[in-house]
Amino acid sequence: GAGVSQSPSNKVTEKGKDVELRCDPISGHTALYWYRQRLGQGLEFLIYFQGNSAPDKSGLPSDRFSAERTGESVSTLTIQRTQQEDSAVYLCASSLLWGLSGNTIYFGEGSWLTVV
Amino acid sequence: GESVGLHLPTLSVQEGDNSIINCAYSNSASDYFIWYKQESGKGPQFIIDIRSNMDKRQGQRVTVLLNKTVKHLSLQIAATQPGDSAVYFCAENIPPGGYQKVTFGIGTKLQVIP
Repeated sequence: GAGVSQSPSNKVTEKGKDVELRCDPISGHTALYWYRQRLGQGLEFLIYFQGNSAPDKSGLPSDRFSAERTGESVSTLTIQRTQQEDSAVYLCASSLLWGLSGNTIYFGEGSWLTVV
Repeated sequence: GESVGLHLPTLSVQEGDNSIINCAYSNSASDYFIWYKQESGKGPQFIIDIRSNMDKRQGQRVTVLLNKTVKHLSLQIAATQPGDSAVYFCAENIPPGGYQKVTFGIGTKLQVIP
């Protein structure tokens, strides 16, 4: 597609349920990133993919969070046993190359998660 | 730890005036900087970038200035328009580690007064 696509755009879930958030990066982009943004706050790095590998998972808040990427394309961020503090916008981004400073990172519109 | 921060959380500017949004960074190894604009309910949108071997770069109505001596970055918007109202984030790239890791600041909200 023309840009980074994320789904669902909005998700309301009950505390304790699992959620899956999907990201379709720009075609041909080898690097994929997940960020979290709480209301009125900055962007918090979660995880980065180089191809299908995730060299840096340091930003994942807890073991309830996991992510995978297949076919060097689609990525899924899974949150198990959701808690109210997980409520945030989850932003996916992609860039053409990796290992090279200066690649523009393009963002999707985000998945708005509300845990009630 | 080292991080990117912003001086002003909110900036109000009269339509037609110039806006200056400032950003301080503390990682001297950062080699690439980006400004993003985030409108309400949308994802961040790339505005302009600058490499550390430059001190100024101009785009359409926007200019980014980099002062490595004091680790300061600024975004200047000429003839500010209502459509410029948004939150602006500066971001720094801390190399390598074999990949590009971008760290974002808190953001500055720009309010344009018609």
